[in-house]
Amino acid sequence: NAGVTQTPKFQVLKTGQSMTLQCAQDMNHEYMSWYRQDPGMGLRLIHYSVGAGITDQGEVPNGYNVSRSTTEDFPLRLLSAAPSQTSVYFCASSYISGRVNSPLHFGNGTRLTVT
Amino acid sequence: DQQVKQNSPSLSVQEGRISILNCDYTNSMFDYFLWYKKYPAEGPTFLISISSIKDKNEDGRFTVFLNKSAKHLSLHIVPSQPGDSAVYFCAASAEGSGTYKYIFGTGTRLKVLA
Repeated sequence: NAGVTQTPKFQVLKTGQSMTLQCAQDMNHEYMSWYRQDPGMGLRLIHYSVGAGITDQGEVPNGYNVSRSTTEDFPLRLLSAAPSQTSVYFCASSYISGRVNSPLHFGNGTRLTVT
Repeated sequence: DQQVKQNSPSLSVQEGRISILNCDYTNSMFDYFLWYKKYPAEGPTFLISISSIKDKNEDGRFTVFLNKSAKHLSLHIVPSQPGDSAVYFCAASAEGSGTYKYIFGTGTRLKVLA
């Protein structure tokens, strides 16, 4: 059981380049989300989705796009990378129905550097 | 506006003693609270959670206490072990309102000294 899989593990971009961070889960979770972790800032929610075709903004959505065409996948797109987007990105998923004792499961992260 | 706050960036505790990590929140709609542990270069892993209908939940060495009137929760680790050294995040969500956003605190780095 792979859980939440994020690719790539590391990425270096130049300012203005675009890229997509991939996230896939095999637990049939309805809920998926993206966080970024920065020193002293904790984990901040970028975007989330409660099911295929449904997405919404989190705390820090600017500069990022998401889509949810399948239950399993929730890619995060940076359309024009900026140095301020240098961070570690985590994808997480959970069940919605029967929420009790259904915490978020995290991937191992993507470390992104924008020069 | 930080809705979930962990005011202690770091904590050092002797092995075998109790570790107490604190978390405060401002949004009275939060009704589900979680604690996560994070090692370097890994994703956060779930430790323990508590619903707002309870004031205490235990799982082995880990106990979470919730004080709704004070909007405060704490994580107790007894006894602390060197392997507990990690960054601990608290998180909250307002599921009763149909909102499934998990909001995290800034984390507390725990160091357990052998």
